[in-house]
Amino acid sequence: DIVMTQSPDSLAVSLGERATINCKSSQSILYSSNNKNYLAWYQQKSGQPPKLLTYWASTRESGVPDRFSGSGSGTDFTLTISSLQAEDVAIYYCQQYYGTPYTFGQGTKLEIK
Amino acid sequence: QVQLVQSGAEVKKPGASVKVSCKASGYTFTTYQIHWLRQAPGQGLQWMGIMNPGGGTTSYGHRFQGRFTMTRDTSTSTVYMELSSLRSEDTAMYYCARKRDSGSYFDSWGQGTQVTVSS
Repeated sequence: DIVMTQSPDSLAVSLGERATINCKSSQSILYSSNNKNYLAWYQQKSGQPPKLLTYWASTRESGVPDRFSGSGSGTDFTLTISSLQAEDVAIYYCQQYYGTPYTFGQGTKLEIK
Repeated sequence: QVQLVQSGAEVKKPGASVKVSCKASGYTFTTYQIHWLRQAPGQGLQWMGIMNPGGGTTSYGHRFQGRFTMTRDTSTSTVYMELSSLRSEDTAMYYCARKRDSGSYFDSWGQGTQVTVSS
């Protein structure tokens, strides 16, 4: 199985400041034939199902604010929130869909400082 | 709009089985895969398996093969998952989710069904 490891486990950021969450895969999830990274990011607020934020590592889902951006390639990926808003308090997960079983990171809890 | 609506919470005894439904609407049911995932209390997400509603084919995660079954009813646009020989470790929120694209990321999720296994 591909192991996804996020860092940090928790993060406190002031309103309006940048938040950065990292995700590392145990093997490359870049598919050479199409040059795509098989990585998605989700946001999960308390008591709700996850919500898709980005896919193919950096493509923002429709309707997701542009303060959310994904980057990275191969084994190292980052989700950045450029200016933290109160409604961004949540747990964030990365997911690889390069191969089954599809696996998720352990989650990063984002709070307001 | 795309909606996945799941059945209600279940409480089961160890060794029993549970069946959870996921009713799709707002899109062509047979066109998109439905996946099942679960989340134990305070834990992360675990992928379980895939149902292709068009042909009814399935693929199961290796951790769940043998006691996990997915079926579908195209007349009602509903996918079902059944987990047997329940144990306390199966206590979790179970989600269905739709795969939209060539990649297996999930753009729509059901609201979740809480399954509690307790004697």
